Amino acid sequence: QKEVEQDPGPLSVPEGAIVSLNCTYSNSAFQYFMWYRQYSRKGPELLMYTYSSGNKEDGRFTAQVDKSSKYISLFIRDSQPSDSATYLCASGYSTLTFGKGTMLLVSP
Amino acid sequence: EPEVTQTPSHQVTQMGQEVILRCVPISNHLYFYWYRQILGQKVEFLVSFYNNEISEKSEIFDDQFSVERPDGSNFTLKIRSTKLEDSAMYFCASWVALTQETQYFGPGTRLLVL
Repeated sequence: QKEVEQDPGPLSVPEGAIVSLNCTYSNSAFQYFMWYRQYSRKGPELLMYTYSSGNKEDGRFTAQVDKSSKYISLFIRDSQPSDSATYLCASGYSTLTFGKGTMLLVSP
Repeated sequence: EPEVTQTPSHQVTQMGQEVILRCVPISNHLYFYWYRQILGQKVEFLVSFYNNEISEKSEIFDDQFSVERPDGSNFTLKIRSTKLEDSAMYFCASWVALTQETQYFGPGTRLLVL
């Protein structure tokens, strides 16, 4: 079964909050884990990717993968109104399986 | 910064007509993909292409669909006889190699079948 599950939200937070976005996946063979940001009617924009388990940090963004629990997380520190978008998690190997996306709204 | 480009950005067609969606992947990338996203739904994998042949396809990618790399830069998706349910955003993606980085997506072509 190739499934990635993600809470669609919307998730509303005030500016400056720490945001936690999460996904679960079911296929143990998945090796790549990505987070994409998508604005309305635009293409997915790559934010973070990790290979296998572990953490990865890039500026205000931290991605975590726990393969034992099949759990993928994205943390956004000091969230900004410009972070308002839909966040897609994806995992796989040569092809990607996407979650439905979580809509994030950061209010000033 | 290199990017994946797609043309046209919007396409309106009549049911039963053929459409060709075009993509220019990032120049040193080896793997090419088409995904689609029906409004309000998940991004879904259609087909992957490597070394001038299809490497994997989903159940969505039936005989109405075909892909081609006609020259060294373009990658096309053809829908032979469009149906209403083909209306969606179609995204092209490319990947340099399976062990390096990940897939980069183009801005998409919005296809509307009337």
